[in-house]
Amino acid sequence: AQKVTQAQTEISVVEKEDVTLDCVYETRDTTYYLFWYKQPPSGELVFLIRRNSFDEQNEISGRYSWNFQKSTSSFNFTITASQVVDSAVYFCALSEAYRDDKIIFGKGTRLHILP
Amino acid sequence: NAGVTQTPKFRILKIGQSMTLQCTQDMNHNYMYWYRQDPGMGLKLIYYSVGAGITDKGEVPNGYNVSRSTTEDFPLRLELAAPSQTSVYFCASSYTEGTLNTEAFFGQGTRLTVV
Repeated sequence: AQKVTQAQTEISVVEKEDVTLDCVYETRDTTYYLFWYKQPPSGELVFLIRRNSFDEQNEISGRYSWNFQKSTSSFNFTITASQVVDSAVYFCALSEAYRDDKIIFGKGTRLHILP
Repeated sequence: NAGVTQTPKFRILKIGQSMTLQCTQDMNHNYMYWYRQDPGMGLKLIYYSVGAGITDKGEVPNGYNVSRSTTEDFPLRLELAAPSQTSVYFCASSYTEGTLNTEAFFGQGTRLTVV
């Protein structure tokens, strides 16, 4: 069965430090999608990225970058030069393309950026 | 562009009361979901639907019922409210066609308190 594990429950870093949020997934499907979402203190869920299993290139968007490694079934998220506004809960998610298309989420990592 | 609309935003229920959380989407998405998020916790899948007339249980379906009579609407019914159902409820939708899966689009959430 598909599964997403975010082992880091809570992380605190000082502003301007880099921080990496880990995401490990399990799937038997050959085609699947991975996602990251941000949930700021206001509570809404903000979509950050969607990645197809065939696209192993790392992605960079401003201070955000994502490292997809099929060999270790990981899709880690790095924030460079963190800012207080990055404080939020971050969720990794997975959907399979063949076996079960529903989207399942990891338990989330609560990130505190300290001024 | 309404996206996913949930109503109400807030509700207080007494133990044993019933209510329906409404969710509608205007993106013609085939998949729809209900998640609950307990305080400080992650997203747990309650029910999901792969299309009109088809629903399936998620991780925590007990105490809830759903129906999907149209592509647009996916209401969640609580029959006998219990304090354990105090949570924030998120409705979401996504689109799947062949091996193409989009991300989940979320509503703003419904904060439900059972007293």
